[in-house]
Amino acid sequence: QVQLVQSGAEVKKPGASVKVSCKASGYTFTSYGISWVRQAPGQGLEWMGWISAYNGNTNYAQKLQGRVTMTTDTSTSTAYMELRSLRSDDTAVYYCARELSVGASYYFDYWGQGTLVTVSS
Amino acid sequence: DIQMTQSPSSLSASVGDRVTITCRASQSISSYLNWYQQKPGKAPKLLIYAASSLQSGVPSRFSGSGSGTDFTLTISSLQPEDFATYYCQQSYSTPGFGPGTKVDIK
Repeated sequence: QVQLVQSGAEVKKPGASVKVSCKASGYTFTSYGISWVRQAPGQGLEWMGWISAYNGNTNYAQKLQGRVTMTTDTSTSTAYMELRSLRSDDTAVYYCARELSVGASYYFDYWGQGTLVTVSS
Repeated sequence: DIQMTQSPSSLSASVGDRVTITCRASQSISSYLNWYQQKPGKAPKLLIYAASSLQSGVPSRFSGSGSGTDFTLTISSLQPEDFATYYCQQSYSTPGFGPGTKVDIK
């Protein structure tokens, strides 16, 4: 069965970086893209960006351009999201999600369990 | 960017009620609209994709309709496990989510 398993919770100081991993299993990793979505405490869902596991192409949310980098390791079927220059408003649960494309449409059909990143001095 | 709105922001309902949630896009997105359910402390779960297609394994009491700018998610007979927050998401361009609709027990 398809599973996305994320790394554990992190506590970081303002200005630091965090790298969250998302290990995929149960499907051909390079046949799908991975999106990252975050959710601040008590808030809604915010799309952060997408990476093609096939060729590494990326598309980042404009507000995070320059601070976020998404990568994949196809040898281990793992996707990574690194966020730099952390601020307190980056405190959130970070999710990876598999992106399924059907024709011109796409949707997120499987999600990781979430990784809480807390930014605090 | 395409802005997504949802109404209501919250609602109280009883088991067995018919519930309708509305999602509106700031411009036409054809049928590129998905719906997710999220329970506290859990990841979102895909319910409906392409406005009206039921994701495999999702109960048939969930249905979606609409195209262009106006969309609805309907739960025909609310069950105890349906109390959750529901989000719409447009897939016409850079992904964007609606602010969510919380469904709780009356």
